[in-house]
Amino acid sequence: QVRLVQSGAEVKKPGASVKVSCKVSGYTVTELAMHWVRQAPGKGLEWMGHFDPEDGKTIYSQKFQGRLTMTEDTSTDTAYMELSSLKSEDTAVYYCTTLTDWGQGTLVTVSS
Amino acid sequence: SYELTQPPSVSVSPGQTARISCSGNTLPRQYAYWYQQKPGQAPMLVIYNDNERPSGIPERFSGSSSGTTVTLTISGVQAEDEADYYCQSADTSGPSGEVIFGGGTRLTVL
Repeated sequence: QVRLVQSGAEVKKPGASVKVSCKVSGYTVTELAMHWVRQAPGKGLEWMGHFDPEDGKTIYSQKFQGRLTMTEDTSTDTAYMELSSLKSEDTAVYYCTTLTDWGQGTLVTVSS
Repeated sequence: SYELTQPPSVSVSPGQTARISCSGNTLPRQYAYWYQQKPGQAPMLVIYNDNERPSGIPERFSGSSSGTTVTLTISGVQAEDEADYYCQSADTSGPSGEVIFGGGTRLTVL
């Protein structure tokens, strides 16, 4: 059974960056295709990108190209999502997920 | 890029059957997945590969596929099934497959 535990809520100013972590247990992070999905308040789910362990490639949604970086620390089995040049529209709950198992979500608030 | 289209809302009485559709041009070629999301909670997978149920999901949840439309059916709806439901598939029109979600359907149990 995969368990995904995310870091706590963040408040950022416009233009800043945020880095959210996702600690994996039950498997090693390299065994999982880890996706990041976000959900703005009152809105639907929006896929951001994922890491494919089969070919070692990271695929980003075109919407976030140039602003989004997904990384993994194999020594701690932790995945990270970093989003830069934050705007108010980036205010959302960010989830790490294998699309079967989901983290609890991390609220990122962007406000001046 | 592709889109998945869902009705914004569906309402049914307890014990009735709810059907939630999801349409998209990628669906004849890619599997569909369905997620249930209750307020304040993370989504939960209820159907994968068009019509398979993960362990622990009640039998009243089923999925079907026909052409460009997939359907989530909840038979004998219970009050606890009131939630938002999202379909999901893959967009393989570009060089790298991207995941796409439908806009979501709010299921109201009257």
